[in-house]
Amino acid sequence: GAVVSQHPSWVICKSGTSVKIECRSLDFQATTMFWYRQFPKQSLMLMATSNEGSKATYEQGVEKDKFLINHASLTLSTLTVTSAHPEDSSFYICSAKGTGSNQPQHFGDGTRLSIL
Amino acid sequence: AQSVTQPDIHITVSEGASLELRCNYSYGATPYLFWYVQSPGQGLQLLLKYFSGDTLVQGIKGFEAEFKRSQSSFNLRKPSVHWSDAAEYFCAVGVWLSFGAGTTVTVRA
Repeated sequence: GAVVSQHPSWVICKSGTSVKIECRSLDFQATTMFWYRQFPKQSLMLMATSNEGSKATYEQGVEKDKFLINHASLTLSTLTVTSAHPEDSSFYICSAKGTGSNQPQHFGDGTRLSIL
Repeated sequence: AQSVTQPDIHITVSEGASLELRCNYSYGATPYLFWYVQSPGQGLQLLLKYFSGDTLVQGIKGFEAEFKRSQSSFNLRKPSVHWSDAAEYFCAVGVWLSFGAGTTVTVRA
């Protein structure tokens, strides 16, 4: 149980384009979803937290107009990297958490984003 | 504020040998503690979690961890390591996870 699907797993695109990454909880309802960014050989950096039907809460230093997050349902959140540039290239990971403070976060497999 | 320290950046262990990964946390109340494992190019998989109760927690893949309040530690252990255990291991604390820097485990034949 508690499967989180993240799609696509790898995307390469030209500078200036927008890229959408989907995160789905397949067998549970995710009241809260999280988006992380991970640089090589480093830990995860939380970008934003989103609750279903609400605006996302962004961490300090994360541009909300650059990284658009939508959490339209209890099973789907999307991250759109707008007007992507090479410095946005990274590994992006989502996680989903069910209701209750004692529910752990379950992670997707990540998306490798490469901007040329 | 909550924080996690993983003192060991990289550990090399022989296949079949025991493994212990250290984790120290800073948290204002009884912590929620987690260990996750990440294989290269993949997301994180939950190994085990501690919320309350028995301080020795059993997880998947033969891992266990012990919560020691007096030492603010939550060390991960495995009695006999397999080559497939080579990965990055992250300790995390709190409802909204604060991650440690991670420990890379290399397994030699």
